[in-house]
Amino acid sequence: AQSVTQLDSQVPVFEEAPVELRCNYSSSVSVYLFWYVQYPNQGLQLLLKYLSGSTLVKGINGFEAEFNKSQTSFHLRKPSVHISDTAEYFCAVSVPNTGNQFYFGTGTSLTVIP
Amino acid sequence: EAQVTQNPRYLITVTGKKLTVTCSQNMNHEYMSWYRQDPGLGLRQIYYSMNVEVTDKGDVPEGYKVSRKEKRNFPLILESPSPNQTSLYFCASGQAEDQPQHFGDGTRLSIL
Repeated sequence: AQSVTQLDSQVPVFEEAPVELRCNYSSSVSVYLFWYVQYPNQGLQLLLKYLSGSTLVKGINGFEAEFNKSQTSFHLRKPSVHISDTAEYFCAVSVPNTGNQFYFGTGTSLTVIP
Repeated sequence: EAQVTQNPRYLITVTGKKLTVTCSQNMNHEYMSWYRQDPGLGLRQIYYSMNVEVTDKGDVPEGYKVSRKEKRNFPLILESPSPNQTSLYFCASGQAEDQPQHFGDGTRLSIL
């Protein structure tokens, strides 16, 4: 089975400051990588995904993530956060040819401080 | 509007009383999944389905059943609920393994 580790359970950051949310996964095979955001009392929404190709992927709301194969990491970044970015963020891995098995990290709660 | 619809959104019930949480998607997606979300544990996959009549166990299938008789519907059945199944449940659907999943708004179950 795969495992996905989100190293920080809570990240407080001041408004307009940069932020990085870390994600590492364990896999010896190629995987698909995703970041989702969950606002209070809502389901998850896709921020961005990495399938192949360029290791830097851009998503919605100014977020981007960099895939690093050697470190098996997929860290999420934003250069300047807003109050509205306060939410729970989940990293997820899908393994090809397993019929839609997904593995999620435990989540990082981002709190943007005015 | 493309959506995944779960019902009910909230349910409080008692141990041993069978319940079903329905899930329906209107995007003609092949893949559907059920997850439970617990504090500190993130989302864990309960069951997933690649197509009609094809289902597989995820990481935490014990105590749950599913069926996929139609492409759009994927109900989650708790035959004999227990308090450790108190959780927030999400249904999701997707077009393919390399495509993102679309999530419902969640069902909060409390088993007393």
